[in-house]
Amino acid sequence: DQQVKQNSPSLSVQEGRISILNCDYTNSMFDYFLWYKKYPAEGPTFLISISSIKDKNEDGRFTVFLNKSAKHLSLHIVPSQPGDSAVYFCAASARGQNFVFGPGTRLSVLP
Amino acid sequence: DAGITQSPRHKVTETGTPVTLRCHQTENHRYMYWYRQDPGHGLRLIHYSYGVKDTDKGEVSDGYSVSRSKTEDFLLTLESATSSQTSVYFCAIKQGSGTEAFFGQGTRLTVV
Repeated sequence: DQQVKQNSPSLSVQEGRISILNCDYTNSMFDYFLWYKKYPAEGPTFLISISSIKDKNEDGRFTVFLNKSAKHLSLHIVPSQPGDSAVYFCAASARGQNFVFGPGTRLSVLP
Repeated sequence: DAGITQSPRHKVTETGTPVTLRCHQTENHRYMYWYRQDPGHGLRLIHYSYGVKDTDKGEVSDGYSVSRSKTEDFLLTLESATSSQTSVYFCAIKQGSGTEAFFGQGTRLTVV
């Protein structure tokens, strides 16, 4: 049973618009969440993180929102650019333990 | 770029043969990890290490072993490769708890 779920395998967005990627988790002990981006034939690269004491973290065009009561987090990319086309993985950990990754969402940003 | 090098980058091997993948880091990070990536599963943890000679099993450890004799090297061994071990393998390093992990570029392994 997956503890971290990304229910949308793929998402297409027009360039310049907002991309919203969603992630749900089941383990209430998770207290640290991350987003990674992965291009083909490359390793995942860290994008942004958030700890459970916050509900929002922002870094440039990327913002992560955390809703602990709903066990839901989302990554917003504004504005979306063609270079953002990649697979995005959500990950979570509990009390410094190992990360659990979701299955990923493939984002396509159309010019 | 985090100083992580995986070797080889690509390998084709036959069923039943042993295979060793190497992960080398220049960051002196304490934690090292081996993941496999398969469609629909994301990244699944195979084995990890807290330090030299200190390793533990992850979610999908069956058929794999690891060794860490030096801080900078973490080896993943498939004792007798099977077709189900065809995958892309990623090494990752992490400085401490509550921090992000950095990934290598991956090794694509095909078992025929």
